Amino acid sequence: AQSVTQLGSHVSVSEGALVLLRCNYSSSVPPYLFWYVQYPNQGLQLLLKYTTGATLVKGINGFEAEFKKSETSFHLTKPSAHMSDAAEYFCAAAGYSSASKIIFGSGTRLSIRP
Amino acid sequence: NAGVTQTPKFQVLKTGQSMTLQCAQDMNHNSMYWYRQDPGMGLRLIYYSASEGTTDKGEVPNGYNVSRLNKREFSLRLESAAPSQTSVYFCASSAGETGTSGNTIYFGEGSWLTVV
Repeated sequence: AQSVTQLGSHVSVSEGALVLLRCNYSSSVPPYLFWYVQYPNQGLQLLLKYTTGATLVKGINGFEAEFKKSETSFHLTKPSAHMSDAAEYFCAAAGYSSASKIIFGSGTRLSIRP
Repeated sequence: NAGVTQTPKFQVLKTGQSMTLQCAQDMNHNSMYWYRQDPGMGLRLIYYSASEGTTDKGEVPNGYNVSRLNKREFSLRLESAAPSQTSVYFCASSAGETGTSGNTIYFGEGSWLTVV
């Protein structure tokens, strides 16, 4: 079965430090990759997505992700963490097979230390 | 710009009771979804509707039923609630099917359901 794996259920960084959230997908290359962010007591909102073209994707709030086919990875980064980045982040993949099914990772909770 | 609206936001049910979660989207989207979110398990798809008039089971459909009332509305019904259905439920929609076109899914704010 296809899967999306997020390494680390909880990541903590200092304010101003690099944010790196890891995501790997199963080996059959999915055409579409997403990162969603969920703030406390809210729904998920799209941070960025890869469909075709440039493998480095820029999203909102200074986040970006790079699609690396050889590593089956789509890691999310931000050069300098801000307190407002504290949230849960979900990686997702779509396009494996049947329509309408997007596969989500189990999420990574990002904490920011002052 | 309401997007996806779901009600109620919070609900406490007794085991065996029934209830319906309502969802409506105002983006003229074709596809709609119901997910549940449990700690450490991410989002799991309960049911989806690729287009008006169609519904299909997702990963965890047991104990649930859905109705795609029209293009805007997609409801989720728990016929006989069980404690295992305590969860946060999210309704979502997309312009088309994400599997074939990479459409972005837009989520509602969530419904917190507790079954005691």
